[in-house]
Amino acid sequence: DIQMTQSPSSMSVSLGDTVTITCRASQDVGIFVNWFQQKPGKSPRRMIYRATNLADGVPSRFSGSRSGSDYSLTISSLESEDVADYHCLQYDEFPFTFGSGTKLEIK
Amino acid sequence: EVQLVESGGSLVQPGGSLKLSCVASGYTFSYYWMDWVRQTPGKSLEWIGEINTDGSKTNYAPSIKDRFTISRDNAKNTLYLQMSNVKSDDTAIYYCTSNSGFAYWGQGTLVTVSS
Repeated sequence: DIQMTQSPSSMSVSLGDTVTITCRASQDVGIFVNWFQQKPGKSPRRMIYRATNLADGVPSRFSGSRSGSDYSLTISSLESEDVADYHCLQYDEFPFTFGSGTKLEIK
Repeated sequence: EVQLVESGGSLVQPGGSLKLSCVASGYTFSYYWMDWVRQTPGKSLEWIGEINTDGSKTNYAPSIKDRFTISRDNAKNTLYLQMSNVKSDDTAIYYCTSNSGFAYWGQGTLVTVSS
């Protein structure tokens, strides 16, 4: 199975910060990586699809990038509503696999 | 507006069976592959499996293969997950998601496996 190694597992951040979360794929997964935001008691919400594409309705302060096998989600100028858990997903090869998640907390 | 509504979650004993449903609305259900994803109490997400548009092809995660079966009824806009021989590790919130790049998710249904 492809491992998606997500880091960090948690981050203590300040409003206005730029935040970067990374997933490293153990094998080539091409562009087939999504990023999801999940707030307590809610379903995951797709933020980025195919590594770099902003999903409908997602603020432009969110962006996705790829460098080799490293996939990153960046939040520029963090707002309070961005405090949540974030998950990456590879859907290039079965079984599809998620990263272990990153919890953003306010300092 | 796209809506996915899961149901059927409950308390089930180890070794028992359960069938989850997911009713879709707001889009042409039969056009899209569908997936099931679960989230354990430790909050990790795990992909369970998927089914193609006409129900003729499925793919499963190794952890549930031969115990879970995904099916669909396009006439009823409904996706199913038949769970059998359940284990305590199957305790989770189960989500259905539309495989248009996992754009749409239901609210989830809780399955608790315990004696």
